[in-house]
Amino acid sequence: EIVLTQSPATLSLSPGERATLSCRASQSVNSYLAWYQQKPGQAPRLLIYDASNRATGIPARFSGSGSGTDFTLTISSLEPEDFAVYYCQQRSNWPPGSTFGQGTRLEIK
Amino acid sequence: EAQLVESGGGLVQPGGSLRLSCAASGFTFNNYWMSWVRQAPGKGLEWVANIKHDASQKYYVDSVKGRFTISRDNAKNSLYLQMNSLRAEDTAVYYCAKCGFLEWFNNWFDPWGQGTLVTVSS
Repeated sequence: EIVLTQSPATLSLSPGERATLSCRASQSVNSYLAWYQQKPGQAPRLLIYDASNRATGIPARFSGSGSGTDFTLTISSLEPEDFAVYYCQQRSNWPPGSTFGQGTRLEIK
Repeated sequence: EAQLVESGGGLVQPGGSLRLSCAASGFTFNNYWMSWVRQAPGKGLEWVANIKHDASQKYYVDSVKGRFTISRDNAKNSLYLQMNSLRAEDTAVYYCAKCGFLEWFNNWFDPWGQGTLVTVSS
């Protein structure tokens, strides 16, 4: 099973600052990695898929990069609504399954 | 617009059973893989099971194998999760999610339903 490790566990920043979140896979997932945002009491929302592609309706301040085992989600200038928990996810093709990272909580400083 | 609505959660005693449902609308349900994902209170996300668009393939996380069964009724645009021999550690919000178009690797989990809470306690 591929294990995803996210860092940091908590990130404290102010609106307007740049956020950099990391996700490391225990073995290569090529570019098959996604990022999700989850706000309290809500379902997760797809932000980035295939490591670097923004999902429909996602603002341009969100970007993803990386391949192999190391991935980054960057929020260029934090808006108040961006403070949430972020999860990375990999999808294994055989057997078809998936695992998530443990999450990074982005909080207002 | 694709939409998913879960139902069937509730309080159940350890060892008991529960059946969750997920009603799909706004997309051609019988073309997509579907998944169940759970989230224990205050914890992260855990993929639970998936099912191919024609129900010919089903896969589970190890912790639920032999206890949970995923199924679907394409005529009713509905996904199900039959949960037996429930344990305290199965307590979680259960989400259904739309996955790959015809093939598992074609798409990611989008959208998700709002979730339904399952509490296993005596």
